Amino acid sequence: DVKVTQSSRYLVKRTGEKVFLECVQDMDHENMFWYRQDPGLGLRLIYFSYDVKMKEKGDIPEGYSVSREKKERFSLILESASTNQTSMYLCASTTPGWEGRNEQFFGPGTRLTVL
Amino acid sequence: KNEVEQSPQNLTAQEGEFITINCSYSVGISALHWLQQHPGGGIVSLFMLSSGKKKHGRLIATINIQEKHSSLHITASHPRDSAVYICAAATGNQFYFGTGTSLTVIP
Repeated sequence: DVKVTQSSRYLVKRTGEKVFLECVQDMDHENMFWYRQDPGLGLRLIYFSYDVKMKEKGDIPEGYSVSREKKERFSLILESASTNQTSMYLCASTTPGWEGRNEQFFGPGTRLTVL
Repeated sequence: KNEVEQSPQNLTAQEGEFITINCSYSVGISALHWLQQHPGGGIVSLFMLSSGKKKHGRLIATINIQEKHSSLHITASHPRDSAVYICAAATGNQFYFGTGTSLTVIP
């Protein structure tokens, strides 16, 4: 079974702090994604990566950066956390040849609260 | 403007009822995905379809490409089916997600 893990289930940070969210997948997937999920808005893509050291902006990249130094690990970084970044963050991965035809495997999510 | 619209937003059913959740999309798709999210956050993929109909146990998903519409049906619903069901339209390298349908099945 594909397993996608995220470093924390719940996280509380203060405004201005630098926040790292880690995602690890164990099935050698090339493609990895970071989403945030807010009530009434659904899932929105922040960044995705299709290979090591490669990244593409999604719909809402402002205030975020990412790092993919190893194939299995995709990190989301909030350089200076703000209260409007309080949200559920979900990581996902999928197999190559992805044009929407492959299943996405999701991590359990990190509920981030910025005070 | 939402590329994917789901209805209803909230649904309460008695155990054993037949349930239908609808999804309409406005983009050209390579595939339509149905996802399930239980309380606590984790999302699992239920179906991926580009035509016709698929069935897993009590769950059935259908799609009408011409009408840009998909439905998720649950037969003989059970309290463990209580979850948020999310429709996602995949096009190229992009997913467009619906806002989800929150289903509660009462014993």
